[in-house]
Amino acid sequence: DTEVTQTPKHLVMGMTNKKSLKCEQHMGHRAMYWYKQKAKKPPELMFVYSYEKLSINESVPSRFSPECPNSSLLNLHLHALQPEDSALYLCASSRVPQDAYGDQPQHFGDGTRLSIL
Amino acid sequence: GNSVTQMEGPVTLSEEAFLTINCTYTATGYPSLFWYVQYPGEGLQLLLKATKADDKGSNKGFEATYRKETTSFHLEKGSVQVSDSAVYFCALSGRGSNYKLTFGKGTLLTVNP
Repeated sequence: DTEVTQTPKHLVMGMTNKKSLKCEQHMGHRAMYWYKQKAKKPPELMFVYSYEKLSINESVPSRFSPECPNSSLLNLHLHALQPEDSALYLCASSRVPQDAYGDQPQHFGDGTRLSIL
Repeated sequence: GNSVTQMEGPVTLSEEAFLTINCTYTATGYPSLFWYVQYPGEGLQLLLKATKADDKGSNKGFEATYRKETTSFHLEKGSVQVSDSAVYFCALSGRGSNYKLTFGKGTLLTVNP
């Protein structure tokens, strides 16, 4: 069982749809992350939230919009996605932001598998 | 910048065989090193970590030692099981502005009965 919960597990959407991915953790972690993972590749960092504030945006297209309503929740709002955005989207959290100590492991959820029609 | 190189595989072994997955890294300073495992249809799970030179991380029969002199963090297990079939990622996290988690390309391990 993972301690980071992501919903939904699967999502199919058209290019004109608007949908959201949700991530929740109750470990008291103050850093949360979104990653994109294509098949047979390592995860690629998209966003980092540190103490509920966006600290890193890895030049992600604006059709992806993150939100951190509180220290336990992280959302990723999706709009007008492209077929190449089909991937596994992983959420992760860590006890403190990585820049403080660098040795805090990230805990990952099982991901949302997104398919764009 | 930071980088991680690991043997890409795929690696196919018989049950009870010895496993080694090589991982070397390039980083400034003293990074922390991690091995993550991804089972089919799941997210990544932390398998083990080491935060300073000569540290040995271990979990579930897997071991890896932080070797600063060879900039390596090779993963080993003495006797693999079918349930160990998964993708294994070596990763590092630096300090300060290099704190992002940098992954290797992953190694697919298949263990046959």
